[in-house]
Amino acid sequence: GAGVSQSPRYKVAKRGQDVALRCDPISGHVSLFWYQQALGQGPEFLTYFQNEAQLDKSGLPSDRFFAERPEGSVSTLKIQRTQQEDSAVYLCASSPDSAGELFFGEGSRLTVL
Amino acid sequence: QKEVEQDPGPLSVPEGAIVSLNCTYSNSAFQYFMWYRQYSRKGPELLMYTYSSGNKEDGRFTAQVDKSSKYISLFIRDSQPSDSATYLCAMSGGGTSYGKLTFGQGTILTVHP
Repeated sequence: GAGVSQSPRYKVAKRGQDVALRCDPISGHVSLFWYQQALGQGPEFLTYFQNEAQLDKSGLPSDRFFAERPEGSVSTLKIQRTQQEDSAVYLCASSPDSAGELFFGEGSRLTVL
Repeated sequence: QKEVEQDPGPLSVPEGAIVSLNCTYSNSAFQYFMWYRQYSRKGPELLMYTYSSGNKEDGRFTAQVDKSSKYISLFIRDSQPSDSATYLCAMSGGGTSYGKLTFGQGTILTVHP
């Protein structure tokens, strides 16, 4: 498909486990964003990459959250020692440049028990 | 208090009605104003985008921005059952922070036949 692809779509983790969420942006898109959407809320910004450079990580809620995009394409959001408050949908979005429209994936729904 | 406030609804209207959705915000640095539509278990998709104050029309949709009042609106004319979704307002400061969106909570809209 030509859209942003995220995997897994659903993840159940026990409290304390580490999880990794993957994002495949639209081919050629320079910018990549991660957002967190809690139930019944709007998405909240987590972090932003331009190519492989992480330009803004001000939205990451704690040092348990880590994101990377080593080759400027696929990105991984890693959450260590998951807590119940981490339960949310994690949305990835890509954009052709720094000022273009954001195209969102369908999200990865994380449930921490 | 959140930077962007949006009445979560829910809003239920008959087919053919005019729908008005609104957001208020507090950050004067916001310059770009968007409306996203999000279907259940899908990612947000961009509906309308406006720079600074003014009106913009696209088919059945009209977006209005009043920066002096820090108030934005989305009007949907001749609403259809397929318009049933969550509508999210979003805004950003532009420049390198263009994609760093601040979202409202979202308004759940149901259009019944």
